[in-house]
Amino acid sequence: AQSVTQPDIHITVSEGASLELRCNYSYGATPYLFWYVQSPGQGLQLLLKYFSGDTLVQGIKGFEAEFKRSQSSFNLRKPSVHWSDAAEYFCAVGAGRGGADGLTFGKGTHLIIQP
Amino acid sequence: GAGVSQSPSNKVTEKGKDVELRCDPISGHTALYWYRQSLGQGLEFLIYFQGNSAPDKSGLPSDRFSAERTGGSVSTLTIQRTQQEDSAVYLCASSLLGLAGGQETQYFGPGTRLLVL
Repeated sequence: AQSVTQPDIHITVSEGASLELRCNYSYGATPYLFWYVQSPGQGLQLLLKYFSGDTLVQGIKGFEAEFKRSQSSFNLRKPSVHWSDAAEYFCAVGAGRGGADGLTFGKGTHLIIQP
Repeated sequence: GAGVSQSPSNKVTEKGKDVELRCDPISGHTALYWYRQSLGQGLEFLIYFQGNSAPDKSGLPSDRFSAERTGGSVSTLTIQRTQQEDSAVYLCASSLLGLAGGQETQYFGPGTRLLVL
């Protein structure tokens, strides 16, 4: 079965600084990979996704992520964070067995932005 | 509708009571998913519907949990004889076709926060 690990439970970054959130997955084949963001009291919003092709994917709100097969990683990056980026970030993998299945999520990383 | 909606937004119940949680997916979306978000377990996938059919119910935590979907639209998640460990946020999502392997973007609702006293 697939699994997702987000090693950092909390990350604190100063406003304007760069950001990298780590995600490692376990799956036998090339998975479908997603990053979602959840703001307080809000549902999950998709930031970006990787299915195939170019390993560097661009998303909304200035985020990007890079798929590295050799490291089984899909880290999320942003060059300069804004206070509004403070939220919970979830990495997820979709790897159905021939039918559509739900996503497997990591435990999430809580991002705190310092002024 | 414009997005996935869920009701109620909050539900407080007493241990042993039954609860029904409702999800209204985006109009035209054939696939619907239920997830549970709790402090201890994070985000867990519960069940998926393609149309009105749920091919795999093994993700439901116990036989107290059931779900149905009617008319290819609204879905209801029912928890019978609620226990305190059922306290969590229950999230619903929908996607257009429900393609294999989670290929599609899933659009999430705001969730129902359930508290069992």
